[in-house]
Amino acid sequence: AQSVSQHNHHVILSEAASLELGCNYSYGGTVNLFWYVQYPGQHLQLLLKYFSGDPLVKGIKGFEAEFIKSKFSFNLRKPSVQWSDTAEYFCAVNARSGGYNKLIFGAGTRLAVHP
Amino acid sequence: EAGVTQFPSHSVIEKGQTVTLRCDPISGHDNLYWYRRVMGKEIKFLLHFVKESKQDESGMPNNRFLAERTGGTYSTLKVQPAELEDSGVYFCASSQGVGQLNTEAFFGQGTRLTVV
Repeated sequence: AQSVSQHNHHVILSEAASLELGCNYSYGGTVNLFWYVQYPGQHLQLLLKYFSGDPLVKGIKGFEAEFIKSKFSFNLRKPSVQWSDTAEYFCAVNARSGGYNKLIFGAGTRLAVHP
Repeated sequence: EAGVTQFPSHSVIEKGQTVTLRCDPISGHDNLYWYRRVMGKEIKFLLHFVKESKQDESGMPNNRFLAERTGGTYSTLKVQPAELEDSGVYFCASSQGVGQLNTEAFFGQGTRLTVV
């Protein structure tokens, strides 16, 4: 069965620190990969996505992620975090199941950025 | 353009009662998904509608949960009777492109269900 693993459940950083959140998935077929973010009190929104082409994708607010097919990974990075990045981050994989696509999520990583 | 909307935003009910959650997807989106997140755990897939048909309901916990999408528009998720372990946040999402992988899902704000 397809699954998504996020390595860190809680991350605490100071402003301007660099961020890397790990994500690994298990699925041997074609996948599309996503990072979603949920800011406090808001709904889930798309941060970035990988469909094909350049494995280094750039998203909103200075985030980027790199798809490494050989490692089944799609880690999220940001060189310098801000207090406003405090949120919960979810890695997700869109994999084909029974002819239709199914979006599978990881457990989420709660990021707290201190000023 | 209106996004995915869910009603109610919060619901507190007693064990044994019935609750119905509603999701209005983005107009024209054939795919509609229900997910649930129990506190601290992953966002777990419940089921997937393609238009009015249930394409995949492998994530539905048990027969106390009933989802419908009459006419292929809005969807309801009914829990009857509710149990304590049903507490969590129920998310709805919709997307275009039936059978396509490269399609983005848009999420509602979720319904926080608390069973006491």
